[in-house]
Amino acid sequence: AQSVTQLDSQVPVFEEAPVELRCNYSSSVSVYLFWYVQYPNQGLQLLLKYLSGSTLVESINGFEAEFNKSQTSFHLRKPSVHISDTAEYFCAVTRLTGGGNKLTFGTGTQLKVEL
Amino acid sequence: DVKVTQSSRYLVKRTGEKVFLECVQDMDHENMFWYRQDPGLGLRLIYFSYDVKMKEKGDIPEGYSVSREKKERFSLILESASTNQTSMYLCASSSIYSGHEQYFGPGTRLTVT
Repeated sequence: AQSVTQLDSQVPVFEEAPVELRCNYSSSVSVYLFWYVQYPNQGLQLLLKYLSGSTLVESINGFEAEFNKSQTSFHLRKPSVHISDTAEYFCAVTRLTGGGNKLTFGTGTQLKVEL
Repeated sequence: DVKVTQSSRYLVKRTGEKVFLECVQDMDHENMFWYRQDPGLGLRLIYFSYDVKMKEKGDIPEGYSVSREKKERFSLILESASTNQTSMYLCASSSIYSGHEQYFGPGTRLTVT
């Protein structure tokens, strides 16, 4: 079975500052990794994903995450945040094979960007 | 764009009532999922379905059942609602060809009094 740990439940940050949201996973088999974002009163949207290839993946709005197999991590970073990035962020993992497309989610990190 | 719709954004029910939450997707996806979301617990999988009339239990199926009579529609049923089922319920769908990406509906906030 897989598990995901998001160590920080809340991360306050000032606008234009850098931010890192941490995600560690546990799995006995190879996995795919995802970051989803949930804006207030909305469902989840895919932010970025790692399936294979380059370990650094980027989103269209400036976020990036790096898959680190040795540290079993998939931390999310942004060099300069905006007020509009205020949201809850969920890390998720699924098995490469045999997982049936099921995702295991972390408990979420609430990013609050302040002026 | 993929669209996943849920029948209600907000719902208030009484203890003991039978509750139906409906989810419809318009992209011919094979897989559909029901999650509940609670503060500090993240998303927990209740049930999922690989195909019409196929269903499998997720991590927290107790107190819930599901129905998938048509490919585009996946219903979550609370046979006898209880106050501990007050939560946000999220439906999602995915294609077996889309690299495991799931598309989510806006959610239904259910309050059981």
